[in-house]
Amino acid sequence: GNSVTQMEGPVTLSEEAFLTINCTYTATGYPSLFWYVQYPGEGLQLLLKATKADDKGSNKGFEATYRKETTSFHLEKGSVQVSDSAVYFCALTENDYKLSFGAGTTVTVRA
Amino acid sequence: ETGVTQSPTHLIKTRGQQVTLRCSSQSGHNTVSWYQQALGQGPQFIFQYYREEENGRGNFPPRFSGLQFPNYSSELNVNALELDDSALYLCASTLGRGYTEAFFGQGTRLTVV
Repeated sequence: GNSVTQMEGPVTLSEEAFLTINCTYTATGYPSLFWYVQYPGEGLQLLLKATKADDKGSNKGFEATYRKETTSFHLEKGSVQVSDSAVYFCALTENDYKLSFGAGTTVTVRA
Repeated sequence: ETGVTQSPTHLIKTRGQQVTLRCSSQSGHNTVSWYQQALGQGPQFIFQYYREEENGRGNFPPRFSGLQFPNYSSELNVNALELDDSALYLCASTLGRGYTEAFFGQGTRLTVV
């Protein structure tokens, strides 16, 4: 079956630091890959996505590249802000009826 | 901000009771999926409804059931509540059965005591 493994947290950073959250996946075919963000007390928001190998998803300064050879989709941001404090989820779907999520990584950015 | 709304936002129930959670989908979307997010974990797929029919189900017992209405809004019903059912329940609204563009509601926090 499909599964997602992401870097365990929590991650604590200073403002303007570089952020990387590792995500690797197991899938039988060619999944679409997503990063979702969950701010305190809220539901999930789509941050970025990539639907095929070597695609790069980007949004709000965040980037992730779909690497089929390493089955990875690591999230990066060059300069984080306090407002980036949230829980980040890596997820995949093989265009079927469900998303499979990782366990989430809590990121705290200090001023 | 999405157009997916869930109600209620918080709920406390006693073990053994039944609960109904509601979700109004994004305008134009015909598919609703439900997820359970236990504290500190990623969301787990419960089931999906597409055009009023169940389209797929995760590893949840039959006491978790659902409905989708002609306006594509949806209900999640849980019977015989157990303490482990305490979680954030999320619904996701999509156009069609895939996840190219899914919008999530803010969730219903269910506490079973």
